[in-house]
Parts: sequence; C-alpha cells; structure tokens
Amino acid sequence: GAVVSQHPSRVICKSGTSVKIECRSLDFQATTMFWYRQFPKQSLMLMATSNEGSKATYEQGVEKDKFLINHASLTLSTLTVTSAHPEDSSFYICSARDFGQERYTFGSGTRLTVV
Amino acid sequence: DAKTTQPNSMESNEEEPVHLPCNHSTISGTDYIHWYRQLPSQGPEYVIHGLTSNVNNRMASLAIAEDRKSSTLILHRATLRDAAVYYCILRDRGTSGTYKYIFGTGTRLKVLA
Repeated sequence: GAVVSQHPSRVICKSGTSVKIECRSLDFQATTMFWYRQFPKQSLMLMATSNEGSKATYEQGVEKDKFLINHASLTLSTLTVTSAHPEDSSFYICSARDFGQERYTFGSGTRLTVV
Repeated sequence: DAKTTQPNSMESNEEEPVHLPCNHSTISGTDYIHWYRQLPSQGPEYVIHGLTSNVNNRMASLAIAEDRKSSTLILHRATLRDAAVYYCILRDRGTSGTYKYIFGTGTRLKVLA
C-alpha cells in the first residue's frame, strides 16, 4: 500500500532557529500533500495544503511566513518552521493520497520541541 | 465544512465487540465517510470508508444509516492493540477542488483486559 515517510521523527531546537520537516511519498506520486499540527490531547488541525509546483494554500489563522511549505517534486513536500518559539512545540503530521486509492495516507509524525 | 460528532470516550472489554458511533447530519450527497485511528505518538491509520452501503474489511465493519446522517464503526472483537483515538471524517471538498480531511475530536477507545 501507499507509504508516506516523515523525517525527522523527533527534533529539539533552540528558540529563534528554524526547523525543516520532510514528507515523502515513497511508492506513489502526490501532487497534493497536507500538513497538520496536533497539540497534546487534541485533534489534528489542518495547517495547509501543499501543491506541487505552486504556492501552498494555508488555512485561516496559519501564518504563511512562519510555516514555509515547499513542494518541489511529486514525492517531496517540506515544512519549515521559521524563528521557532516554545509555543510552536507540537506534533506535525503530513498526509498524501495515491490517486489510485480513495483514502489518504499519513506520515508517522514529527515531534518538535522548542526550548 | 461538513462536521462530525463523536462521543469523547468509550470503554470496551477485550474480546468483545465495540460500536463506535458518529453523527454527520450535514453530510452532502457526495461525501465519503472515512474512519481512521491514531495510536499514541503516531500518525492516523486508515480503518475503513464507505459512501452508502455497509462495508467490511479485515479491520472492521462500517454501518451507514439509510439517510447517511450517521454511521457506526464496528470492531468485532476488541483487543488491547485497538486502544486508540478513532476519527470519523467526511471527505470535504475545498473551494479549490482539493479534497481535505477535517478532523473532529474523535473517540478515545479504552480496552479493558
């Protein structure tokens, strides 16, 4: 079945630095990928839709200059958290759909801790 | 956006069936009903999906009401490994034509040994 790989699984960074998270579709091409954020004991919140070869579409309230998304190829989308602060500490998850299937596949998530 | 409503939590004994309900009274005619589950510190995992008819697979069964305003995920024999948060999601078509998943609060299933 479709596999989505996320890297790194865990990252700790200092406040004010930037962190890049990668999301790869391993055995299929994905023109669209999605990025979610999840705080402890809460549900997943959709942050943005990543579109291959064009600008990402951000959900209301999500700062596009803080959460930079690049979808340069059909198998890779990256999320960069710029000038990270402790309140950005969260679980970030990506997903993509193999167009041969109805459902979406999710990555295993990235635990970001900003200290 | 079409919304779903689920109980916050449920408990089940091991080896017994579990029925997880979901209400989606504002579902549109072309919305699929998807179920995912999420184990701690992992991304969501696909369970099952359907449109109008009941569906079965190796993991579970999905019973869809005739008016499609509710559905029930059925785990036939709960095991400890089924303890997770279960999400009922309507495949929402955004304004750009991209299908998005909008997650509700989900149901936290606790399985008792």
